[in-house]
Amino acid sequence: GENVEQHPSTLSVQEGDSAVIKCTYSDSASNYFPWYKQELGKRPQLIIDIRSNVGEKKDQRIAVTLNKTAKHFSLHITETQPEDSAVYFCAASKYNQGGKLIFGQGTELSVKP
Amino acid sequence: IAGITQAPTSQILAAGRRMTLRCTQDMRHNAMYWYRQDLGLGLRLIHYSNTAGTTGKGEVPDGYSVSRANTDDFPLTLASAVPSQTSVYFCASRPTGGSSETQYFGPGTRLLVL
Repeated sequence: GENVEQHPSTLSVQEGDSAVIKCTYSDSASNYFPWYKQELGKRPQLIIDIRSNVGEKKDQRIAVTLNKTAKHFSLHITETQPEDSAVYFCAASKYNQGGKLIFGQGTELSVKP
Repeated sequence: IAGITQAPTSQILAAGRRMTLRCTQDMRHNAMYWYRQDLGLGLRLIHYSNTAGTTGKGEVPDGYSVSRANTDDFPLTLASAVPSQTSVYFCASRPTGGSSETQYFGPGTRLLVL
């Protein structure tokens, strides 16, 4: 079955710097890759997603890139702000096949003012 | 509109006891999911249901059962709780049809099994 590895487990940046979180997946049939943000004590919430027919997607300060050949995808946050501090999870699934998400282990991002 | 709700918010349970975690959504989403979240392990899928009347096993189904009698409700039952089932449990739902794959999560249930 699918396996998703996420790195790093913790990341500390200064406010205004960029942050990059990387994930690799094992099943080449996976074709949907969402990123969720979870603030302390809250539920996970989708921040951006990408499908395998697209190499990059951007939404304001957040972007996701996908390399299907290498089976890895990354989350890029530019101009980080203290409110970006949270745990970020990547996931993979096969679109239109039940939506069963396999999550990475999470990255705790800390943005220091 | 409440979205997706879970009950109870938290629970302390003696080992060996039976427990049902409730999940209800009012968005008429066909697909629903149960995940457990443990530190360092991310979220792991326990069971899922693509539509009322059907269920399937996820990554870690042992010790858990689900039912899907209608579109709105997706309860998760621990038949005989064990300490390793101490976790935070999240229910999620997803619309089917169209192009959306977004899963919407409930607020979670914190369960401590002693």
